[in-house]
Amino acid sequence: SVLTQPPSVSAAPGQRVTISCSESSSNSGKSYVSWYQQVPGAAPKLLIFENDRRPSGIPDRFSGSKSGTSATLVITGLQTGDEADYYCGTWDSVLSLGVFGGGTKLTVV
Amino acid sequence: EVQLLESGGGLVQPGGSLRLSCGGSGFTFDTKAMNWVRQVPGKGLEWVATISGFGDTIYYTDSVKGRFTISRDNSRNLLFLQMNSLRADDTAIYYCATMWIQLSPTFDNWGQGTLVTVSS
Repeated sequence: SVLTQPPSVSAAPGQRVTISCSESSSNSGKSYVSWYQQVPGAAPKLLIFENDRRPSGIPDRFSGSKSGTSATLVITGLQTGDEADYYCGTWDSVLSLGVFGGGTKLTVV
Repeated sequence: EVQLLESGGGLVQPGGSLRLSCGGSGFTFDTKAMNWVRQVPGKGLEWVATISGFGDTIYYTDSVKGRFTISRDNSRNLLFLQMNSLRADDTAIYYCATMWIQLSPTFDNWGQGTLVTVSS
């Protein structure tokens, strides 16, 4: 599988932003996507798993969806603290390997 | 609270070896598959290897097959990555991560990482 993300997105505080993740997959779109947030200097943190589920403690400002081979992360009510790199990821169950997108840098301006 | 703490990183010459460790706490260690994921500073994430809870199933990314070995000691709640024949392009921050497996494997908890630098 290959996951393709835009290199960067930007939006103003309080606004809504979407980050796309397009999958070219040996799983034919049947895979599940997760999303990770990496604030500068920190380890990645799981935001969304199984396309649209949030771990406990993740605000509902973060939401995920998937249709076919395209997944989307939506962040509403943007805050300056949301400035980070965001990665989509999946597990290729055909080849048995983990796959990450190239990452999207979110700037809140 | 799940905690993961990596150690063992450092500077090593090309062709050399290094063994990374990751200690887990706050969860039942042998019930979780474990992973190594690496990141060249300033670049994206790259999955490296996965080991099942009892160590009987292991997967590697192609670029490390035959050079790296993932293992675990469940009696001590430790995960390892033995890295041999190191190359400059192995230079990265190495993170250990637990794996949530229900509908699909997901890296749900991450350590803070340990930096491996391969250079002469």
